[in-house]
Amino acid sequence: QFVLTQPPSVSGAPGQRVTLSCTGSSSNTGAGYAVHWYQQSPGTAPKLLIYGNNNRPSGIPDRFSGSKSGTSASLAITGLQAEDEADYYCQSYDSSLSAWVFGGGTKLTVL
Amino acid sequence: QIQLMQSGTEVKKPGAALKLSCRTSGYDFSNFGISWVRQAPGQGLEWMGWINTRTGDTNYAQRLQGRGFMREDPSTKTVFMELFNLRPDDTALYYCARDLLSDSSWYTSGYWGQGTLVTVSS
Repeated sequence: QFVLTQPPSVSGAPGQRVTLSCTGSSSNTGAGYAVHWYQQSPGTAPKLLIYGNNNRPSGIPDRFSGSKSGTSASLAITGLQAEDEADYYCQSYDSSLSAWVFGGGTKLTVL
Repeated sequence: QIQLMQSGTEVKKPGAALKLSCRTSGYDFSNFGISWVRQAPGQGLEWMGWINTRTGDTNYAQRLQGRGFMREDPSTKTVFMELFNLRPDDTALYYCARDLLSDSSWYTSGYWGQGTLVTVSS
């Protein structure tokens, strides 16, 4: 059971735009703690895609964008490509647990 | 470039102890905290704890309390995680990961090790 809630799966066709959601609570995302997004392709370590709700580390294409409102956050991917097929995790900090918390992950399938 | 090199595969019996290492390079070791994150087979990511590599202060996940410990060795720029009284459900891929920014209040990891596979089985 994960503190942040993500849909198990999302799919989209190449070139399309998809949105992945992440819902927390008043002790984490709703308390103002930032949401971060990681991409994990099979057999590889997670890679940071978005930090601080909407910032991209260097090297991350602008097809990836993040947003946050209240207790919810979203990761949008435009111009979907086959290489985007991966698991995506959101992550934040929870003040009640004094811990970093992850969502259960969303598997993105490119049709 | 920034690198985190983790120790090799481990196979342990239930009740045994585990010590993993994460050797860093390419940056100022004491300026960035290190987290440990594990991933059970086919499952999601689980944060285990974080260490301030300047002070040695730690913050552990509640599930780890009393069974796991993290420490740093600035002389070798290495972080260690020890886990005691291993259980089969500790079987996972264990990652170390460096804070993205020196300001640890961002609570995010920007650089990851390659992972260490740990199997706990009788």
